Amino acid sequence: DTEVTQTPKHLVMGMTNKKSLKCEQHMGHRAMYWYKQKAKKPPELMFVYSYEKLSINESVPSRFSPECPNSSLLNLHLHALQPEDSALYLCASSLLPAEGTGELFFGEGSRLTVL
Amino acid sequence: EDKVVQSPLSLVVHEGDTVTLNCSYEVTNFRSLLWYKQEKKAPTFLFMLTSSGIEKKSGRLSSILDKKELSSILNITATQTGDSAIYLCAFTLIQGAQKLVFGQGTRLTINP
Repeated sequence: DTEVTQTPKHLVMGMTNKKSLKCEQHMGHRAMYWYKQKAKKPPELMFVYSYEKLSINESVPSRFSPECPNSSLLNLHLHALQPEDSALYLCASSLLPAEGTGELFFGEGSRLTVL
Repeated sequence: EDKVVQSPLSLVVHEGDTVTLNCSYEVTNFRSLLWYKQEKKAPTFLFMLTSSGIEKKSGRLSSILDKKELSSILNITATQTGDSAIYLCAFTLIQGAQKLVFGQGTRLTINP
């Protein structure tokens, strides 16, 4: 199994809603990532988890709240988002640097629209 | 501030042509440089380069890193319409090497 699975594929939410994006991998990777990608822009790192602990937060607003309940799952909780948060949210996983090449495996992404 | 710059930003060629995409970087504590291909959704991994001067090949694609010039190139020979995509270059750092930082990408279009 070399897949990173993200759900939902598409999400439309209002600015007062609370929703969550989910990501799952069964490759035994202990590093998991959230990236945000706007149209015609490269992916931008948001969060990195290693061994289920948050290791990097790229100054992301608190309306985005990540959670890593176990080594296979990564969630991104969304609350009080703004229309400019509309983007493709990509989850990725990798072996940790000491274990392997550092290649990231990406999911297909969740396309979020905030109205 | 660490950064990576790709050129050209956009390239349109005919099927069968050979293309060369460029990536230059200014990075302290450089660990590796990676190339990804992104079509409609998720980026897919192409190559990872850590050593200067060693070419990596996969079919019609090849890539090489030049640590002296702080750059890398990605070559695609005998291009096909299926090669149309955005090609992203990214680097990782020795410290915090989990952090993959992408360049802005080159949008490649192959016309039949």
